[in-house]
Amino acid sequence: DTEVTQTPKHLVMGMTNKKSLKCEQHMGHRAMYWYKQKAKKPPELMFVYSYEKLSINESVPSRFSPECPNSSLLNLHLHALQPEDSALYLCASSHGVAGFRTDTQYFGPGTRLTVL
Amino acid sequence: QKEVEQNSGPLSVPEGAIASLNCTYSDRGSQSFFWYRQYSGKSPELIMFIYSNGDKEDGRFTAQLNKASQYVSLLIRDSQPSDSATYLCAVGRGGADGLTFGKGTHLIIQP
Repeated sequence: DTEVTQTPKHLVMGMTNKKSLKCEQHMGHRAMYWYKQKAKKPPELMFVYSYEKLSINESVPSRFSPECPNSSLLNLHLHALQPEDSALYLCASSHGVAGFRTDTQYFGPGTRLTVL
Repeated sequence: QKEVEQNSGPLSVPEGAIASLNCTYSDRGSQSFFWYRQYSGKSPELIMFIYSNGDKEDGRFTAQLNKASQYVSLLIRDSQPSDSATYLCAVGRGGADGLTFGKGTHLIIQP
């Protein structure tokens, strides 16, 4: 089973709202990722969690706040977003063993976010 | 800076023919190479991964890697209309590292 689940599927929020995106995997993976994908562009890495610790932050604005409560769950807290933040937010997971070349990332279905 | 280059297409191929997709990358420290298929409005779906120089075959798909030339390719044999999608080449350093994606090649299989 290579399933990564994400909720909600769609989210519409105003610029003053606070919302959260959720991601879950039960494959025993120890690395989890958030990517952002704008229309007709490739996915861009935002954050990486390795063994529940934030290991990579690709200079993402503080209005995006990641959280990894346990090895199976990954959240992305959103606050005071801008319309240009509207995108498909993708979660992925992988085994995450350091130096392990065969570290395939499996993607969830994504959350389509619209900021009004 | 890590860069992954792909021809954005569209690449139009007749049904039953071989589709050839290419990708080059700049980071010589790259260890892992992936091809993802993405249908419009959907998330990327893993098609193939390759780590060693040479060819790797899986059904109708063959991935080829040449680290000296920093080149990765994907061949799709007996192309079907359902293969019409955007194909993303992704490169990583292995372990818990993010992937760098190319812009994707839009493939159209013409019935």
